[in-house]
Amino acid sequence: AQTVTQSQPEMSVQEAETVTLSCTYDTSESDYYLFWYKQPPSRQMILVIRQEAYKQQNATENRFSVNFQKAAKSFSLKISDSQLGDAAMYFCAYRSAGSGGYNKLIFGAGTRLAVHP
Amino acid sequence: NAGVTQTPKFRILKIGQSMTLQCTQDMNHNYMYWYRQDPGMGLKLIYYSVGAGITDKGEVPNGYNVSRSTTEDFPLRLELAAPSQTSVYFCASRLGQANQPQHFGDGTRLSIL
Repeated sequence: AQTVTQSQPEMSVQEAETVTLSCTYDTSESDYYLFWYKQPPSRQMILVIRQEAYKQQNATENRFSVNFQKAAKSFSLKISDSQLGDAAMYFCAYRSAGSGGYNKLIFGAGTRLAVHP
Repeated sequence: NAGVTQTPKFRILKIGQSMTLQCTQDMNHNYMYWYRQDPGMGLKLIYYSVGAGITDKGEVPNGYNVSRSTTEDFPLRLELAAPSQTSVYFCASRLGQANQPQHFGDGTRLSIL
């Protein structure tokens, strides 16, 4: 069974600085998708960025980028120029790309990010 | 375009009561999911559906039931509420293609007292 591990329960960063959130996963599959979701105090689950495992190029979305290391099964999220609105819980998630089953998301326990002015 | 809409947003139940959490989406998504999020944890899958009339159990289905009579609606039923079901419940949906992300509703905070 696949598992997702986020080893940093809490992180903090100064406004305008850069922070990296860690995520590792365990799978025997070769094709899958990885996601980072943001959950602010409003409780919404907001998709931040996604990565297809078959793509070697790291995904980027404005100030958010990932460092995807397939062999190491690592998928870290880098937030550049941190803003107060980035303060939230961040979840790493894995989803199989297989055609069978329901392609459920498997979530890590989350990292709470605080941004200080 | 409302996306995924969940009602109610908050609810307090007494032990043994029943209720239905409503979820509807207007994106014509085939796949729909119900998750629960316990404090300080990630989301765990309760039930899912791959289309109208088709549902199946996820990781933590005990104490819940679902139905999917239309593409748009995917209600979650709690028959005999127990304190262990105190949680935040999220409904999500997505298109059928494997690379499509899930879109989440805003969640329902449910307390069983």
